Amino acid sequence: DTEVTQTPKHLVMGMTNKKSLKCEQHMGHRAMYWYKQKAKKPPELMFVYSYEKLSINESVPSRFSPECPNSSLLNLHLHALQPEDSALYLCASSQAAGAGYNGYTFGSGTRLTVV
Amino acid sequence: AQTVTQSQPEMSVQEAETVTLSCTYDTSENNYYLFWYKQPPSRQMILVIRQEAYKQQNATENRFSVNFQKAAKSFSLKISDSQLGDTAMYFCASESASGTYKYIFGTGTRLKVLA
Repeated sequence: DTEVTQTPKHLVMGMTNKKSLKCEQHMGHRAMYWYKQKAKKPPELMFVYSYEKLSINESVPSRFSPECPNSSLLNLHLHALQPEDSALYLCASSQAAGAGYNGYTFGSGTRLTVV
Repeated sequence: AQTVTQSQPEMSVQEAETVTLSCTYDTSENNYYLFWYKQPPSRQMILVIRQEAYKQQNATENRFSVNFQKAAKSFSLKISDSQLGDTAMYFCASESASGTYKYIFGTGTRLKVLA
């Protein structure tokens, strides 16, 4: 299995809702990442998990809460989001934190719309 | 600080022709990695080609090759025999080999292959 699987593919949520994004990989990668991508822009790093521990939080607002239950799973819990949080949320993984020569494997993303 | 610049927001090429996408970067690091990622309308970021800065030889992956000019800090991507499936956004990225866990992405070049 050489994929990163993200669910759901699309999500529409109200500003008072609580929802979660899920990311899964079975490549034995020990680092996982959340990126946010606005239209026609490059991805922006949000969080890095290394060996299931949060290594980097790029000053992301607390309404985004990451969780890494095990080495294969990464969740992003969403609460009280704003319309400007609407974006494509990409998950990625790599063999170790700091992707190095092998680069990242990305999922297809979740398209989030906050109404 | 590292920066990556892609000066061509959009390009087009006829099917079967060759096209070159430009990327320049700035870094004070001695060793680093450079990447080209492709993001088709399906949204998934796909690693196209990678280069280690200390390797003189230009990387090649089938129809994709790079022209890596370390002194000029240039890392262009050449696509030969362009195919309709090459239509995508292409991002150039760099990463320090010192393990900062962070890609620096360029702003992207939207490539359209014309039939």
